[in-house]
Amino acid sequence: NAGVTQTPKFRVLKTGQSMTLLCAQDMNHEYMYWYRQDPGMGLRLIHYSVGEGTTAKGEVPDGYNVSRLKKQNFLLGLESAAPSQTSVYFCASSSTVGRPQHFGDGTRLSIL
Amino acid sequence: AQTVTQSQPEMSVQEAETVTLSCTYDTSESDYYLFWYKQPPSRQMILVIRQEAYKQQNATENRFSVNFQKAAKSFSLKISDSQLGDAAMYFCAYKDGGSNYKLTFGKGTLLTVNP
Repeated sequence: NAGVTQTPKFRVLKTGQSMTLLCAQDMNHEYMYWYRQDPGMGLRLIHYSVGEGTTAKGEVPDGYNVSRLKKQNFLLGLESAAPSQTSVYFCASSSTVGRPQHFGDGTRLSIL
Repeated sequence: AQTVTQSQPEMSVQEAETVTLSCTYDTSESDYYLFWYKQPPSRQMILVIRQEAYKQQNATENRFSVNFQKAAKSFSLKISDSQLGDAAMYFCAYKDGGSNYKLTFGKGTLLTVNP
């Protein structure tokens, strides 16, 4: 009963390095989302996807790219990491627009 | 733009007592959804309860219930018979009923349960 799985769970990067966060869901959900959580800020939407092959910008998309080549996977990329991108990143998925979003366990990313 | 406000950064309750967490939101939409999510120290985001705006009846899930006041744009969460496992950060969230996929979160309320 995996649900939404995020890898890795922790990562430390140096400024300027690139990396990709992977999100996989096994619930056949159409919609997938990437959020970042910062202290005192709640969760903010970075990018989302409404189906395989589609992506769209959320509230705070700058510095991130995403891809949804397969329905079950949603990748979040940082091309040139900056200290301001130090955060906890959450992936979520939902079956339809009105249904609750199911969240992964988060990835703690530190950029030095 | 929609906003969600949780005016209580921290709350505490005695075990077995009842506590109410406040949430207000701002929207011009008539069709929308409201959620409460719980985030324990394990960092998981766990759905607690969901309310559709078109439903007048308040949602309930076991010890959790909401007081949904649409005209006042208020969506409070009541936790009855509080348990130690209820200690967590609680987030109120809003989503339009249309094609806007954005889930807008409040900043959260940290709930402490005292034995």
